Amino acid sequence: DADVTQTPRNRITKTGKRIMLECSQTKGHDRMYWYRQDPGLGLRLIYYSFDVKDINKGEISDGYSVSRQAQAKFSLSLESAIPNQTALYFCATSDPQTGDQPQHFGDGTRLSIL
Amino acid sequence: DQQVKQNSPSLSVQEGRISILNCDYTNSMFDYFLWYKKYPAEGPTFLISISSIKDKNEDGRFTVFLNKSAKHLSLHIVPSQPGDSAVYFCAASAGFNNAGNMLTFGGGTRLMVKP
Repeated sequence: DADVTQTPRNRITKTGKRIMLECSQTKGHDRMYWYRQDPGLGLRLIYYSFDVKDINKGEISDGYSVSRQAQAKFSLSLESAIPNQTALYFCATSDPQTGDQPQHFGDGTRLSIL
Repeated sequence: DQQVKQNSPSLSVQEGRISILNCDYTNSMFDYFLWYKKYPAEGPTFLISISSIKDKNEDGRFTVFLNKSAKHLSLHIVPSQPGDSAVYFCAASAGFNNAGNMLTFGGGTRLMVKP
């Protein structure tokens, strides 16, 4: 089984809908991240969490929210989806005992908003 | 403005030859650099890293070179194999070993190794 699991793997939805992307991990890492990937722009950080009580905005948090339900679970929500949020989304984890490097990624969720 | 840039969107090499992927950065606070490899429908996987106190790090067929004065790093793959065909991302971090140092990624280079 994968160490970092993202669900769903693919989602097509309409503008204005609320969407939740879920991430769970079995690595036992405290720190979790959400990124989006757009062609030519690489991965950009949306939100990150150092533990269940600690949530921080990343570079591009507008239009997104997150919830850290447990050490192993970190979900990303789009409250009212818009077409420019169409992207590939990745969850990642890291271990502070290794300086948070490297980060370990899930296989991604491909999200299309029509 | 992108702080980490990979100016070549794609690169094609023959099997057995050397692949050289390049990455430039602008933030002088970056002190730790990583390369990730990504296959289609999979997440990025860590390949190799280098600290700013070094100028070279080698792991099997993969070597990363860092030129701090030029703010440039490169990944060399020798010899290249068809299984190396993937997208390669360069990433940088400031404050290694400090809490919460984040990764800044380049836009990626698609490597195609032809048999």
